[in-house]
Amino acid sequence: TQLLEQSPQFLSIQEGENLTVYCNSSSVFSSLQWYRQEPGEGPVLLVTVVTGGEVKKLKRLTFQFGDARKDSSLHITAAQPGDTGLYLCAAKKSGGSYIPTFGRGTSLIVHP
Amino acid sequence: GAVVSQHPSRVICKSGTSVKIECRSLDFQATTMFWYRQFPKQSLMLMATSNEGSKATYEQGVEKDKFLINHASLTLSTLTVTSAHPEDSSFYICSARRPGQGIGLAGGYNEQFFGPGTRLTVL
Repeated sequence: TQLLEQSPQFLSIQEGENLTVYCNSSSVFSSLQWYRQEPGEGPVLLVTVVTGGEVKKLKRLTFQFGDARKDSSLHITAAQPGDTGLYLCAAKKSGGSYIPTFGRGTSLIVHP
Repeated sequence: GAVVSQHPSRVICKSGTSVKIECRSLDFQATTMFWYRQFPKQSLMLMATSNEGSKATYEQGVEKDKFLINHASLTLSTLTVTSAHPEDSSFYICSARRPGQGIGLAGGYNEQFFGPGTRLTVL
């Protein structure tokens, strides 16, 4: 079973639409990261959330950490073709050794 | 963010040969680095944790004699794919863990910073 369940797995939308990607688990995390990866490149860290209920914004991207620190969401407003890529959430379980766990990823395509 | 380099970015080799991939953290010391394998349109699969000055920790199902890892310094880890076969063809990515805490949108908290990846094709 996957520790981090990410949904949806695939998303194909038109430029200007909004979207939300979810990262859920039954485990509590001390921190959670979101990455974006473009084809043929390594993932790039977008944000780290640490506090339950925390909301962070990065331009048109809004990241939220659940109150219980078991889930997170990434919301993109007015998506652009440049947002196309694979979005990955990663987390470390509370109290565990630092071995990161990744979700399966959400492959986003934004059509112009 | 921190910078991690990976070399080579692309390699094509014949079946049976060995290939070495280098991962360097350029602006911080990384006691821990990770090696991942990724198939098209899939997430990252952790292969092993590379610890400076000690043996690597391999994930279940990963052959340590086939994927040799050496973390000889705080800024360099290498992955050697020995006796490569076509099924070893994949995208290999390393990451370096930056310890400690920091401030800002993406600072600290034991975050990983990834290299650009190495595309290995075994003929």
